[in-house]
Amino acid sequence: EAGVVQSPRYKIIEKKQPVAFWCNPISGHNTLYWYLQNLGQGPELLIRYENEEAVDDSQLPKDRFSAERLKGVDSTLKIQPAELGDSAVYLCASSLDSGTGNYEQYFGPGTRLTVT
Amino acid sequence: AQSVSQHNHHVILSEAASLELGCNYSYGGTVNLFWYVQYPGQHLQLLLKYFSGDPLVKGIKGFEAEFIKSKFSFNLRKPSVQWSDTAEYFCAVEGAGRRALTFGSGTRLQVQP
Repeated sequence: EAGVVQSPRYKIIEKKQPVAFWCNPISGHNTLYWYLQNLGQGPELLIRYENEEAVDDSQLPKDRFSAERLKGVDSTLKIQPAELGDSAVYLCASSLDSGTGNYEQYFGPGTRLTVT
Repeated sequence: AQSVSQHNHHVILSEAASLELGCNYSYGGTVNLFWYVQYPGQHLQLLLKYFSGDPLVKGIKGFEAEFIKSKFSFNLRKPSVQWSDTAEYFCAVEGAGRRALTFGSGTRLQVQP
């Protein structure tokens, strides 16, 4: 089966410019996650969707970051305006909540953002 | 708030050596525990997970981990590493049912042929 798809894989922008990342989760996965991974660190959760509802966005810097998951499938993460400190890898993951409590998050390849 | 500590940032081993990577977490309730691996140029992949039951968990590629509740630890082990195990390894924890992984900072494993 196809894995989690993200685009673009790399993006270089100047500070104060907007940028958007796109994620297509594994077919049928109802839960979608966006993570931020700084160099030398583990991923940090930004937002989690259950279908089209953002159920955990407590770590999302809402002054400049926004996300949407229309129709409960694809998702877009946007930064406007970007700052130098936003340079990082943005990871998307998805999972299927079967109701058993046992699950696994599948990660995409990530988008490496460089802000100059 | 939960946190995860991986004390070994960079480990260098020769092929056939045994591996143990430490992972300690801080969380006051029931937890689910995970080890993920990221091979060079590839995305994060699940090695193994613990939700309940036998605290000794076996994963893919000969890896295993033991959950020791009293020590808040979930160390990863492999009896004999191969050059292909060169990768970055991440321990992660979540409060049971919360669906919010907290990752450690990772351990870079380099296996020399």
